[in-house]
Amino acid sequence: EAEVAQSPRYKITEKSQAVAFWCDPISGHATLYWYRQILGQGPELLVQFQDESVVDDSQLPKDRFSAERLKGVDSTLKIQPAELGDSAMYLCASSSAFGRGLWETQYFGPGTRLLVL
Amino acid sequence: DQQVKQNSPSLSVQEGRISILNCDYTNSMFDYFLWYKKYPAEGPTFLISISSIKDKNEDGRFTVFLNKSAKHLSLHIVPSQPGDSAVYFCAASEQRAGSARQLTFGSGTQLTVLP
Repeated sequence: EAEVAQSPRYKITEKSQAVAFWCDPISGHATLYWYRQILGQGPELLVQFQDESVVDDSQLPKDRFSAERLKGVDSTLKIQPAELGDSAMYLCASSSAFGRGLWETQYFGPGTRLLVL
Repeated sequence: DQQVKQNSPSLSVQEGRISILNCDYTNSMFDYFLWYKKYPAEGPTFLISISSIKDKNEDGRFTVFLNKSAKHLSLHIVPSQPGDSAVYFCAASEQRAGSARQLTFGSGTQLTVLP
């Protein structure tokens, strides 16, 4: 069964350092999402891609976070510099949805657990 | 401002009994609702969904009920099994012009099914 892949699974870093997370969505899925989940809260959307284009990054702290999906397949989320408050689970999800309309299930990867010291 | 609320952070149920997880929402534009289950160190997995044109959807032991007038939905698990112990997230979606739908999640309810 196809799955969303993420790496690394765990990352410990010191504040002010740069970190990067990688996501490989299910093959053929046009839409890719990055979420942040703080302990005790639900996932919150950071950025949404449709193919290689960003369609919503309104919740992405752009002073330190960046995301790209250059060839419309895999994606990288970067934080520079990392802050203590960035400690969270970073989840990637993909769906076959394209454009407005019916719901298509979002499939999540296992996430990257980030700890900033 | 939380648009999707799960007011019970935890719930314990005996094996074989019914588990009822509740969710409230405030955005009347939401027209699709989902439940995801999450085990520790894993990503959320889709469980069951319901469109706003329905008031009930059933899949095996899992049933979701939607009360649009009350802006409330619930997930029933009957009978509950120890393997159902996980965090359950309620999520909602609305149509967005020109792009695929997004999800707004609640804060989750930790279900523990006791043997």
